[in-house]
Amino acid sequence: DTAVSQTPKYLVTQMGNDKSIKCEQNLGHDTMYWYKQDSKKFLKIMFSYNNKELIINETVPNRFSPKSPDKAHLNLHINSLELGDSAVYFCASSTDRNTEAFFGQGTRLTVV
Amino acid sequence: QKEVEQNSGPLSVPEGAIASLNCTYSDRGSQSFFWYRQYSGKSPELIMSIYSNGDQEDGRFTAQLNKASQYVSLLIRDSQPSDSATYLCAVNPRWRRALTFGSGTRLQVQP
Repeated sequence: DTAVSQTPKYLVTQMGNDKSIKCEQNLGHDTMYWYKQDSKKFLKIMFSYNNKELIINETVPNRFSPKSPDKAHLNLHINSLELGDSAVYFCASSTDRNTEAFFGQGTRLTVV
Repeated sequence: QKEVEQNSGPLSVPEGAIASLNCTYSDRGSQSFFWYRQYSGKSPELIMSIYSNGDQEDGRFTAQLNKASQYVSLLIRDSQPSDSATYLCAVNPRWRRALTFGSGTRLQVQP
């Protein structure tokens, strides 16, 4: 059983398109996150939800919009994709903000 | 000053040696500290958690925390080629309700 699963694993798309990434966790955690890992492997928090409530929104362009329909799901929609959006996006979850986070397998987004 | 700092490496050690990985953090009020291992093309995998000053041991891994010096380290004993990966230090600052990661140290264990 996969604890944190995200789809798709790979996404290749053209500039200007809109795309979504989905994430689901079956760990019973209350908190979910989106992280972005750039080409230099730096892992940076983008958004965090606690029980469907947005609690972290780092300086991310408005083109990125997270949605949490319930505490087990967190999706990321990206409008008007740009070349600079190419990265690996990781979903993660944790019991609360002070505990360890568990990561999904990542979505490698390539914008051409 | 970066919130979490690590030497990017690569750190090269011979098989069977002890690998020592270091991390410093800027927020003195941070309460939880983690080490993750990330193989190329894979997701970060938790290997150690530490919450109080001192040592925390799990098999070949020992995490060390010194809050006064704002310093976390990871020791890997009897290093194996399979330990070759990037090791990410993660800290939970008071002011941000999520893990903040360092840029990672690449470890190479030579057979």
